[in-house]
Amino acid sequence: GAVVSQHPSWVICKSGTSVKIECRSLDFQATTMFWYRQFPKQSLMLMATSNEGSKATYEQGVEKDKFLINHASLTLSTLTVTSAHPEDSSFYICSARGRTGPRYEQYFGPGTRLTVT
Amino acid sequence: TQLLEQSPQFLSIQEGENLTVYCNSSSVFSSLQWYRQEPGEGPVLLVTVVTGGEVKKLKRLTFQFGDARKDSSLHITAAQPGDTGLYLCAGVNAGKSTFGDGTTLTVKP
Repeated sequence: GAVVSQHPSWVICKSGTSVKIECRSLDFQATTMFWYRQFPKQSLMLMATSNEGSKATYEQGVEKDKFLINHASLTLSTLTVTSAHPEDSSFYICSARGRTGPRYEQYFGPGTRLTVT
Repeated sequence: TQLLEQSPQFLSIQEGENLTVYCNSSSVFSSLQWYRQEPGEGPVLLVTVVTGGEVKKLKRLTFQFGDARKDSSLHITAAQPGDTGLYLCAGVNAGKSTFGDGTTLTVKP
């Protein structure tokens, strides 16, 4: 199946600093990428949807100035958590949607564990 | 807002038992997906159901999409410890997925 990678897999940063997470579709072109966050033992909450070359669409309650999303190419999207605080500590998962066969499918990355101290 | 409710939220059973997880919504979805997620990893797609009433089988797992495309169920026969994980259903509309709350399954040997 199609592969989506995330980098880094885990990161620890100090409060007030910014952290960038990369999401790459390795063997297909992702017309749309989604960013989710997941707290322990909870489900995935959609943060934003990004289409290549256009601004991301954020879900209600997600601060677009705090969670900067860039989808500069059909294989790369980045999520930057600006001025991180301990409450931003979470598991961030991206998914990429593209045509890998007769239909468009969505594939998930392995996630990035962010810990803000 | 499209909400998906999964039940039960937690399930702990012995190896060899059968179980069913339910995913219910008041919204109609163009398709519904089931995922399995292990701790510290991203969700892995198990199946996509598209047609109302559709039934799909994946070895010991049976997935059913409700006739009205608002609900779905996942049935596991003769559960094994390797089935342990978080099971998520996701309703899809216009290319966007809405996830259920998840069911944490523990299968004891």
